[in-house]
Amino acid sequence: EAQVTQNPRYLITVTGKKLTVTCSQNMNHEYMSWYRQDPGLGLRQIYYSMNVEVTDKGDVPEGYKVSRKEKRNFPLILESPSPNQTSLYFCASSFVTSGSHEQFFGPGTRLTVL
Amino acid sequence: AQSVAQPEDQVNVAEGNPLTVKCTYSVSGNPYLFWYVQYPNRGLQFLLKYITGDNLVKGSYGFEAEFNKSQTSFHLKKPSALVSDSALYFCAVRDMFSGGYNKLIFGAGTRLAVHP
Repeated sequence: EAQVTQNPRYLITVTGKKLTVTCSQNMNHEYMSWYRQDPGLGLRQIYYSMNVEVTDKGDVPEGYKVSRKEKRNFPLILESPSPNQTSLYFCASSFVTSGSHEQFFGPGTRLTVL
Repeated sequence: AQSVAQPEDQVNVAEGNPLTVKCTYSVSGNPYLFWYVQYPNRGLQFLLKYITGDNLVKGSYGFEAEFNKSQTSFHLKKPSALVSDSALYFCAVRDMFSGGYNKLIFGAGTRLAVHP
């Protein structure tokens, strides 16, 4: 089954404790992206990757890091989480060509930073 | 700046009645438009897209959307609502100028509540 998976689905942590949210897709997509969803704001892009070893900042990258060592994986790293990073996070993937392809989203990771 | 607006936080409709969820956009050039739905505790699911061609686009679960260039709108519609359609709906437009050209700019979302 074609899918985007994320782990963990739920995470409660404390300020300053490094964490990683994993994302994996099995559709051989070049493009992967992280979004955060906040009430009244919709989804906003954090980071994206056009292919292996190619990453760039989205609209709200502060406090986050990513890596793309393999095509299928795109982990999101919070080196020192803060309460304002409490949010619902989605990983997405798609083909790069033309941009007309829909993006496939993971099930989401609900993060709470105390 | 490119943007998407969903003017209604919530739409309430009775089961069996037609529903409309509104979306307007502001982009440079021809837009690539999308609708996604989010059910509780689930990720976003793709419903439909407009790239070019017919202004009426048909999608999953009986939904359709009408692209109106003069009004810069892309309203989501369904002729007969089901209680199971109750969810959070997002309109999105592809960002032509950043985010690797595949970035989606989302509206704030509209919660659809269908009452029996």
